[in-house]
Amino acid sequence: NAGVTQTPKFRILKIGQSMTLQCTQDMNHNYMYWYRQDPGMGLKLIYYSVGAGITDKGEVPNGYNVSRSTTEDFPLRLELAAPSQTSVYFCASSSTGLAPYNEQFFGPGTRLTVL
Amino acid sequence: RKEVEQDPGPFNVPEGATVAFNCTYSNSASQSFFWYRQDCRKEPKLLMSVYSSGNEDGRFTAQLNRASQYISLLIRDSKLSDSATYLCVVNPRGGYQKVTFGTGTKLQVIP
Repeated sequence: NAGVTQTPKFRILKIGQSMTLQCTQDMNHNYMYWYRQDPGMGLKLIYYSVGAGITDKGEVPNGYNVSRSTTEDFPLRLELAAPSQTSVYFCASSSTGLAPYNEQFFGPGTRLTVL
Repeated sequence: RKEVEQDPGPFNVPEGATVAFNCTYSNSASQSFFWYRQDCRKEPKLLMSVYSSGNEDGRFTAQLNRASQYISLLIRDSKLSDSATYLCVVNPRGGYQKVTFGTGTKLQVIP
């Protein structure tokens, strides 16, 4: 049981390039989330999904897109990378969205630098 | 007022000391509360949920004060391995998309 896995671990992009951050979970969780964490800041929700085929915007969705074709996978797409997207990106999942049972399990993160 | 506020610290304490952190929240409808631990450059991991009656897990005790809208985390007999950033997490009933993470309180346990 690997939990939540993310690839790549590190990436440097040039301004204007695009990339996809991969996230996979093997816990059969319906709920999945993408966060970004800037230095010294809290986690900001980018997008979330409550099940395959269903996604919605979080707090900071601009410049990102997601898809959820399977329960396991929740890739995050960056189009036209900008320096403001330099951050650490965490993917998370939970079995349910209902408090207080919605403990989130996080992947190890992807450290992205845009130059 | 921020939805969730934490003192960023750092709290520098000697081994064996007792240390406490508070976290205040602004939404009185908040229904569930958690403490997560985040080691440097690592992902957050659940430390413990916070129950209305308070709960304990070994050296860690979590309390909820709904009247004053804060939760607390008490760590007794601090270990070097407790050095980390502690994140407060708050969300309203059923509001999975509204989960709010605090910016964290940094703890450094000194030999």
